[in-house]
Amino acid sequence: DAKTTQPPSMDCAEGRAANLPCNHSTISGNEYVYWYRQIHSQGPQYIIHGLKNNETNEMASLIITEDRKSSTLILPHATLRDTAVYYCIVRPPQGGSEKLVFGKGTKLTVNP
Amino acid sequence: GAGVSQSPSNKVTEKGKDVELRCDPISGHTALYWYRQSLGQGLEFLIYFQGNSAPDKSGLPSDRFSAERTGGSVSTLTIQRTQQEDSAVYLCASRGGGWAPEAFFGQGTRLTVV
Repeated sequence: DAKTTQPPSMDCAEGRAANLPCNHSTISGNEYVYWYRQIHSQGPQYIIHGLKNNETNEMASLIITEDRKSSTLILPHATLRDTAVYYCIVRPPQGGSEKLVFGKGTKLTVNP
Repeated sequence: GAGVSQSPSNKVTEKGKDVELRCDPISGHTALYWYRQSLGQGLEFLIYFQGNSAPDKSGLPSDRFSAERTGGSVSTLTIQRTQQEDSAVYLCASRGGGWAPEAFFGQGTRLTVV
């Protein structure tokens, strides 16, 4: 079972920041938070991951709370092409179970 | 190609027939995953390979489902005596060795059992 909970859907205006929340209250100290997204009719695409510190790459920023029980994925300037289902995943460290357990995700709709 | 390749992209089969789905991972990737996604649903884990061995088969829904991987590369997912509830998109992903963070997914095979 997925160790994360996400809102089923969110809307965002084009050009604005999209902030997608994720709760992972049972996360263990050495488990990572991963985000993937799935654009309609395509396979999922990796976005970003983090352990404790906030992370930023060319696609997004990841903010992890100090207690690590929740995180937020930020798309700073959402475009129509960012409309997708966004999955938050908890992944064990190396040596643990390798499977990625996907929940139902958040369907983000970016509106013009 | 540079990405994960799956074939066929679409497969329509009659109930009771066997089907084979193929996944060509990215060259050099040691980890390989199979997932399935029913219409409007999330991704359901099926099986994970590390090299040619499958340390986690916990997601295979029944003994009609099996998978193998040869030469640490191509993988085949076989569904025997297909049922209508097997209709779904079957997705394959591969990941580099060690603890490479990113899994790359193929476009999937859409299986329809009629």
